[in-house]
Amino acid sequence: GQQVMQIPQYQHVQEGEDFTTYCNSSTTLSNIQWYKQRPGGHPVFLIQLVKSGEVKKQKRLTFQFGEAKKNSSLHITATQTTDVGTYFCAASSGSARQLTFGSGTQLTVLP
Amino acid sequence: DSGVTQTPKHLITATGQRVTLRCSPRSGDLSVYWYQQSLDQGLQFLIQYYNGEERAKGNILERFSAQQFPDLHSELNLSSLELGDSALYFCASSVRDSDTGELFFGEGSRLTVL
Repeated sequence: GQQVMQIPQYQHVQEGEDFTTYCNSSTTLSNIQWYKQRPGGHPVFLIQLVKSGEVKKQKRLTFQFGEAKKNSSLHITATQTTDVGTYFCAASSGSARQLTFGSGTQLTVLP
Repeated sequence: DSGVTQTPKHLITATGQRVTLRCSPRSGDLSVYWYQQSLDQGLQFLIQYYNGEERAKGNILERFSAQQFPDLHSELNLSSLELGDSALYFCASSVRDSDTGELFFGEGSRLTVL
């Protein structure tokens, strides 16, 4: 089945540093979504990207979809302790109806 | 609050037993999805229902089954439980029967098999 590789698995940053997580697929994706799961919580939708080369921003978060629609990234500028959690990408391709989640990047922000 | 309700929140049972997890989707959502999340693992898609019909199947074990009822709530049945079935089981709902659009997750049911 479709696989989405997400790196890094863990990331520790000092508060104020930037953070980036990447998702890669060997197949062309129809769309990609990003979710955040706080410790002990449930995944919460952040954004969906559909178009090739699309870039969307939400305050300090910048989401990109690659030109070939095979990769995506989430960048957080000047992390805060409230950014702590696991960030998942979730993607689908034309052949698969369901979203396939990446393994997630667990972000720790040190005060 | 996502509007998706899952019960029970916690469940402890023994190997070989059977349990049923219940999910009520957000009002108006016709699709229900079940995901399994093991310790420090990602979200593994199990199965999706749309308006009572099975629409997509992931890596769901034969010992597991699910259904969606006319009132749109869904149940995930896990039988002949094994230690490895211990996990957090999430239900999610969405309006559409497609792979686009936001998924709203419930708070999960944590299953511990002893």
